[in-house]
Amino acid sequence: NAGVMQNPRHLVRRRGQEARLRCSPMKGHSHVYWYRQLPEEGLKFMVYLQKENIIDESGMPKERFSAEFPKEGPSILRIQQVVRGDSAAYFCASSRGLAGATDTQYFGPGTRLTVL
Amino acid sequence: DQQVKQNSPSLSVQEGRISILNCDYTNSMFDYFLWYKKYPAEGPTFLISISSIKDKNEDGRFTVFLNKSAKHLSLHIVPSQPGDSAVYFCAASPGYGQNFVFGPGTRLSVLP
Repeated sequence: NAGVMQNPRHLVRRRGQEARLRCSPMKGHSHVYWYRQLPEEGLKFMVYLQKENIIDESGMPKERFSAEFPKEGPSILRIQQVVRGDSAAYFCASSRGLAGATDTQYFGPGTRLTVL
Repeated sequence: DQQVKQNSPSLSVQEGRISILNCDYTNSMFDYFLWYKKYPAEGPTFLISISSIKDKNEDGRFTVFLNKSAKHLSLHIVPSQPGDSAVYFCAASPGYGQNFVFGPGTRLSVLP
């Protein structure tokens, strides 16, 4: 049973370009979460999605950032017109979406975005 | 406004001794807590969880204690091993369908 997969592992973009980060959840998981970790900081929640629905995007910057989790295929975090401050590690986590206090999130290895 | 705090950025412990990592939270609605371990250049790995109906949960060398009245939890690792050297994150959630709030992490170094 493969874990959460993210690609690419490293992504370099110039200012103004677009960045697309992909996340394939664990088999049987229908909930996906995106987090960002800036250098020397903890993980900050960005967005929580179920298939075809955004459940909570309270941590997403209002502009340039968007996320989707289509019926088929991976979840995509898209950053348009990247700026240097977007350089960070972006982690995806998935969970089964169980009710109650058992819904552990399992993390992928992350995508390290560097904006030149 | 940090809702989950880990006030010790780093901790050094001798191999074989006990490591105690602390976490404090401010949101009284949090009722589910997890600890993750993270090695450099890897994603966080789930270690152990506890819900608010318990005050202790144990899994091998790892034990998590929860004191709801003090809004405090701690992770005990005993005996500590060099392979435990990593950054440990505490995370909290108000429950199902809610996102987790992570603390800033504590870097544990276990010295041989």
